[in-house]
Amino acid sequence: GQNIDQPTEMTATEGAIVQINCTYQTSGFNGLFWYQQHAGEAPTFLSYNVLDGLEEKGRFSSFLSRSKGYSYLLLKELQMKDSASYLCAVEDSNYQLIWGAGTKLIIKP
Amino acid sequence: IAGITQAPTSQILAAGRRMTLRCTQDMRHNAMYWYRQDLGLGLRLIHYSNTAGTTGKGEVPDGYSVSRANTDDFPLTLASAVPSQTSVYFCASTSTSGSYNEQFFGPGTRLTVL
Repeated sequence: GQNIDQPTEMTATEGAIVQINCTYQTSGFNGLFWYQQHAGEAPTFLSYNVLDGLEEKGRFSSFLSRSKGYSYLLLKELQMKDSASYLCAVEDSNYQLIWGAGTKLIIKP
Repeated sequence: IAGITQAPTSQILAAGRRMTLRCTQDMRHNAMYWYRQDLGLGLRLIHYSNTAGTTGKGEVPDGYSVSRANTDDFPLTLASAVPSQTSVYFCASTSTSGSYNEQFFGPGTRLTVL
């Protein structure tokens, strides 16, 4: 079957760095997405990886290892507004997104 | 409008009633999707449409139907609502002509079936 695993919840301190991991087993792979979802709101796109390596976008970076079925989202210089859920999703061979349950990130002052 | 809109924002519905959730996008995206999101579970695909006039079943299609008469609109119908359909419903769209298929989401409809 298809499976996306990510931690349920993480806590970090304002100003620090946090890494959110995602492992996947899917039927085919056409790319991996990270989305941010604030409580009560819709998911919004953060990043996309299709090749191995690191993609950097401001304070956020995303890494992919296709051979290991592994990705992480790195958030630097954490701000209170980064408190949200972070969703990992893999595009499978049918070009459908398979979603993880999300990681709720709690930022403490 | 800009982006995707959904209506209603929230709804309380008696079991057995019929309900249509509306979704409209103005980005001329060819593909549209309906997801449900439940606590502790990832977004689950209900139905999708790759282009106007075509639809397909997702992971959890039972009890739901969709239509795609034109590019902009993608309504989701619950023929006879049951309490297990209590959820938050998100509509999304994407253009599959780009280098990657980033999905844009509507604000969601919170549905409670009693």
